Amino acid sequence: DAGVTQSPTHLIKTRGQHVTLRCSPISGHKSVSWYQQVLGQGPQFIFQYYEKEERGRGNFPDRFSARQFPNYSSELNVNALLLGDSALYLCASSGSGGHSGNTIYFGEGSWLTVV
Amino acid sequence: AQKITQTQPGMFVQEKEAVTLDCTYDTSDQSYGLFWYKQPSSGEMIFLIYQGSYDEQNATEGRYSLNFQKARKSANLVISASQLGDSAMYFCAMRERAGNMLTFGGGTRLMVKP
Repeated sequence: DAGVTQSPTHLIKTRGQHVTLRCSPISGHKSVSWYQQVLGQGPQFIFQYYEKEERGRGNFPDRFSARQFPNYSSELNVNALLLGDSALYLCASSGSGGHSGNTIYFGEGSWLTVV
Repeated sequence: AQKITQTQPGMFVQEKEAVTLDCTYDTSDQSYGLFWYKQPSSGEMIFLIYQGSYDEQNATEGRYSLNFQKARKSANLVISASQLGDSAMYFCAMRERAGNMLTFGGGTRLMVKP
């Protein structure tokens, strides 16, 4: 079975541009979360979606938005890119939105560089 | 206050020896989960082991075990018989409430010496 897949794996954008990152969860998983990992730090929570509804939002500006589609895949959008948005963006997948799921799997991430 | 604290920025271990990576956490929730992930230089966050707050026994997964001391709020990862391929960043994380939101520590870089 395929794991969590993310695309693109690497991309370079210019300040002020827009970026869309994509994630497909493990088959059967309905919950997707997004994390930002700046170099040298642990990941920071951005969004969680379950059954196409936003279930949680981290402390990120409104330039960050996301959505989940009927097939449970998800997109993370970032507008008006800043140099500080350069990071590894990780997508996580789990079977449910509650505590009954005890494993959360991550994709390989999308490396975003803003120049 | 930091919710997840990993006090060891970097550690060395000799191949085939055991190593303990420290993790302490802070929460007022009664129900929570603790996770350990391995992150090689490629960036992928690889799930290693999970411990629920109500689990009475320490979790084990192959060479990985979690030394869970609830009263001390610690969840240390023990890797037995270290291998060269274990060299990576290791992150401790906690989920406090329903959902996928994980709070991560700052990580520990483990280097296995041949």
